[in-house]
Amino acid sequence: KAGVTQTPRYLIKTRGQQVTLSCSPISGHRSVSWYQQTPGQGLQFLFEYFSETQRNKGNFPGRFSGRQFSNSRSEMNVSTLELGDSALYLCASSLVGTSSYEQYFGPGTRLTVT
Amino acid sequence: TQLLEQSPQFLSIQEGENLTVYCNSSSVFSSLQWYRQEPGEGPVLLVTVVTGGEVKKLKRLTFQFGDARKDSSLHITAAQPGDTGLYLCAGDNYGQNFVFGPGTRLSVLP
Repeated sequence: KAGVTQTPRYLIKTRGQQVTLSCSPISGHRSVSWYQQTPGQGLQFLFEYFSETQRNKGNFPGRFSGRQFSNSRSEMNVSTLELGDSALYLCASSLVGTSSYEQYFGPGTRLTVT
Repeated sequence: TQLLEQSPQFLSIQEGENLTVYCNSSSVFSSLQWYRQEPGEGPVLLVTVVTGGEVKKLKRLTFQFGDARKDSSLHITAAQPGDTGLYLCAGDNYGQNFVFGPGTRLSVLP
């Protein structure tokens, strides 16, 4: 079974631009979560999508948004990029519905904002 | 706000040594997961512990969940260079979200 895939792997953008990142979950997984990882803050939860609906949201500004499609693939968008948005963006998929669901991460997209 | 603390923050040991890393919180979690992350890659799930007091063994790695489901430990026996990486614990907040600790960066020298 293929793992979680994320595209692109690396991205360089300029302040003020916007960016869209893509995540394809493991086949059969309907939940996709997004995280931002930085050296200073560690892994921080952005949001989770399940069946095309945002189920949970972390404490990030409205510039960060996402969506999920009917095939469970998800995209994350960041508008008006700031230098501080430089980070590794990770998505994780899970098979929700068990007593304790487990997350499986993709390799991440390394975003650099200049 | 739920927080997970991990200690030590950094650990550098020689091949063959044993080590324990800790994950602590004042909050109760429905389950707790341990991950290992290598540079430039996403975290890889090692184990999930669910029941208070549970102990799970994965070859040379032993994971324990505290009785009150607030803390956990990871013990590695006879560490190898391949164990090098960032070890993260994550608490499942009853299906709402996962809270991650800051990680323990382990370096095993040959």
